[in-house]
Amino acid sequence: ILNVEQSPQSLHVQEGDSTNFTCSFPSSNFYALHWYRWETAKSPEALFVMTLNGDEKKKGRISATLNTKEGYSYLYIKGSQPEDSATYLCAFNRGSTLGRLYFGRGTQLTVWP
Amino acid sequence: NAGVMQNPRHLVRRRGQEARLRCSPMKGHSHVYWYRQLPEEGLKFMVYLQKENIIDESGMPKERFSAEFPKEGPSILRIQQVVRGDSAAYFCASSPRETQETQYFGPGTRLLVL
Repeated sequence: ILNVEQSPQSLHVQEGDSTNFTCSFPSSNFYALHWYRWETAKSPEALFVMTLNGDEKKKGRISATLNTKEGYSYLYIKGSQPEDSATYLCAFNRGSTLGRLYFGRGTQLTVWP
Repeated sequence: NAGVMQNPRHLVRRRGQEARLRCSPMKGHSHVYWYRQLPEEGLKFMVYLQKENIIDESGMPKERFSAEFPKEGPSILRIQQVVRGDSAAYFCASSPRETQETQYFGPGTRLLVL
């Protein structure tokens, strides 16, 4: 069984706060790490794909970092807004099973105005 | 460019009936993936297909479940003789190629088995 762990499970912040979540994955046979944003009743929306140790990606107020040697990735949201409220999923690709994504359970973010 | 389309969005079946879920990938995408989300669980991989080929079906139950992606038309996930435990949200994703390419998800089909 291949575990992808995300923490915290849920998070409530005030508008304007910055926040971050963690995704832990097996460091062996790593191929790629994906982050998705998932709003209720919508499709999961792709945010980032990262493949190299030390990768950093940024999209507006959201950024992500990757450490493949120790098996973790952080997602940061700067100055959270109510529209950032969603579940943030990370998913892991192994080199031996390309195409198959192993998902974490997600971090549910609620941003209060 | 239309996104990944899935239909129906909601499907109700009685135990023992068949369920057919359809997925039309994004234009230009030849790789399709099916995932299932059981109640209170995360997304779990079921099957990975290319046109006319099953690449990896290791996540799909061996009995009653089958998937295809024909040369023409949508990908179909078929569940025969459904049971209550099949009630879940079934998501399809597509990508232009495999490896580290982003998988783009559809809105899902919510299957309820009575």
